[in-house]
Amino acid sequence: SQKIEQNSEALNIQEGKTATLTCNYTNYSPAYLQWYRQDPGRGPVFLLLIRENEKEKRKERLKVTFDTTLKQSLFHITASQPADSATYLCALDKVGGSQGNLIFGKGTKLSVKP
Amino acid sequence: NAGVMQNPRHLVRRRGQEARLRCSPMKGHSHVYWYRQLPEEGLKFMVYLQKENIIDESGMPKERFSAEFPKEGPSILRIQQVVRGDSAAYFCASSRDGWDTEAFFGQGTRLTVV
Repeated sequence: SQKIEQNSEALNIQEGKTATLTCNYTNYSPAYLQWYRQDPGRGPVFLLLIRENEKEKRKERLKVTFDTTLKQSLFHITASQPADSATYLCALDKVGGSQGNLIFGKGTKLSVKP
Repeated sequence: NAGVMQNPRHLVRRRGQEARLRCSPMKGHSHVYWYRQLPEEGLKFMVYLQKENIIDESGMPKERFSAEFPKEGPSILRIQQVVRGDSAAYFCASSRDGWDTEAFFGQGTRLTVV
């Protein structure tokens, strides 16, 4: 069955450094992969979507890569700030599912220390 | 343009009671999705609806759970005869077209069954 794993439950980095979060998946070739941010007690907020035929996508300080050979996506936040502290979720479309049926990872909790 | 509105934000029910969760999608959005998030777990897909139609309910338990999205009014997720295991955060999301463009989540309803 499809599995999606985010490399670590928590990641602590210093302000100004680049945060790199990993999302690995198995038993599937998704058409696209998405990244979300979730703050405590709030709903997820969409950040970026990358399709299977795209290698990289950028949005301001965010960068996502998608390696379909390694079955891995990397999510980078450059020049990180304490305000970037949150849980980051990756999600991919479920094989055989409808277009709203996504599989989410459990998330990586990022803490950026000043 | 208000975001996805969910109410109530918090709901406490005794075992055996019914829970009704409401979701008003963003203006112009006709696709609604319900997800459940258990403590320390990832978001799990429940159901995908378009106006008056259930498109995919593969993630919804067969018993006690139902969802609707009428022509007028909000989408409703209904849980009958709640049990302690139903305690979770329930999130609704909406999109204008398919999810492979962008979807917006509400703030969620936190259901506690006592």
